Amino acid sequence: KQEVTQIPAALSVPEGENLVLNCSFTDSAIYNLQWFRQDPGKGLTSLLLIQSSQREQTSGRLNASLDKSSGRSTLYIAASQPGDSATYLCAVPDDKLIFGTGTRLQVFP
Amino acid sequence: DTAVSQTPKYLVTQMGNDKSIKCEQNLGHDTMYWYKQDSKKFLKIMFSYNNKELIINETVPNRFSPKSPDKAHLNLHINSLELGDSAVYFCASSQVGQGQAFFGQGTRLTVV
Repeated sequence: KQEVTQIPAALSVPEGENLVLNCSFTDSAIYNLQWFRQDPGKGLTSLLLIQSSQREQTSGRLNASLDKSSGRSTLYIAASQPGDSATYLCAVPDDKLIFGTGTRLQVFP
Repeated sequence: DTAVSQTPKYLVTQMGNDKSIKCEQNLGHDTMYWYKQDSKKFLKIMFSYNNKELIINETVPNRFSPKSPDKAHLNLHINSLELGDSAVYFCASSQVGQGQAFFGQGTRLTVV
């Protein structure tokens, strides 16, 4: 049974810092991994989708890497801003999407 | 254009009532989902519909029933609401083989 965990559960940093959010999954037989952002009281926004054949994907200040063999993905946020404050979720597909528990990020001015 | 839309955004109702949440997607996806987000922000799958057939039905109470009139809609009907049903419910859609899921904005249900 696929299990997805994320660390840290919460992170509070001053703006400008480079951040690393971690996602681990137990079954490496995935065909992609997706990172989402959730703003308080709002829905989920898809940030990046990495196919199993890829090692990383980049979008602006975000970079996500995928290491299937070790069952890990990392979301790297460069030069963090207060607007990055949100909960970040990773998810892997099984016959449905399996979500991690999320990392709550707060970036303060 | 909103890809996945769900209504209402907020729903406050009394225990024992019956309510429905609607979801529509205009992406042409063949699979739609309902997720429940608990107080710890953890998302759990409730239902999945593929080509109008229920393919996943997690261990949710039978007071919850998904209804899909067509491929673009998946509504969630809840009977005899209980306090523990209070949560945020998310609708999503995806296309088999593509993997990326798109989510609605969520419906915050409060049962009083």
